[in-house]
Amino acid sequence: QKEVEQDPGPLSVPEGAIVSLNCTYSNSAFQYFMWYRQYSRKGPELLMYTYSSGNKEDGRFTAQVDKSSKYISLFIRDSQPSDSATYLCAMSVTSNDYKLSFGAGTTVTVRA
Amino acid sequence: NAGVTQTPKFRVLKTGQSMTLLCAQDMNHEYMYWYRQDPGMGLRLIHYSVGEGTTAKGEVPDGYNVSRLKKQNFLLGLESAAPSQTSVYFCASSPGGGLSYEQYFGPGTRLTVT
Repeated sequence: QKEVEQDPGPLSVPEGAIVSLNCTYSNSAFQYFMWYRQYSRKGPELLMYTYSSGNKEDGRFTAQVDKSSKYISLFIRDSQPSDSATYLCAMSVTSNDYKLSFGAGTTVTVRA
Repeated sequence: NAGVTQTPKFRVLKTGQSMTLLCAQDMNHEYMYWYRQDPGMGLRLIHYSVGEGTTAKGEVPDGYNVSRLKKQNFLLGLESAAPSQTSVYFCASSPGGGLSYEQYFGPGTRLTVT
């Protein structure tokens, strides 16, 4: 069993829809939860990070962490074609962990 | 400010050949990493470095070697390439001081081993 599970999709939604992405994990020691966005043929870039449980909002993006269920989510409101990308979740135990545990990524296409 | 750059962008090798991938960062970051990305597997850490002159193994280090002679550069070597090393390789860097999760990635090197 992988330490971090992420449905690869692909996910296709119409412009303006809410995109819902999620990951589950098995290591209860994880405290830092990140979402990276990767455009086609580019390197990943950090989108958001959350420490411990709770919600974090940044513009149209909301990250949620439910440590009791070992489940994290990313919501994209009012999705745009420019949001079409692969979204990878990543986790670590401390803020100084050299090794991040990545999900396999979910590919999202937002149709104009 | 170029961020993280990787050389080359593409490469085709024959089985048994060797090559070196170069990564450079201009953000004065302490930590640097080499990952490989394969379909359905996500990003897997090959080797990493927490400072100039130091290197350590990640989760898939076999068949690769690394060196970090200068803080801004991190080299990944394949001594005898195998078809299983066909992948996209990403270099990343991050600040020290409790910000290891904030990793900055290069554009990747697409390697095919025939």
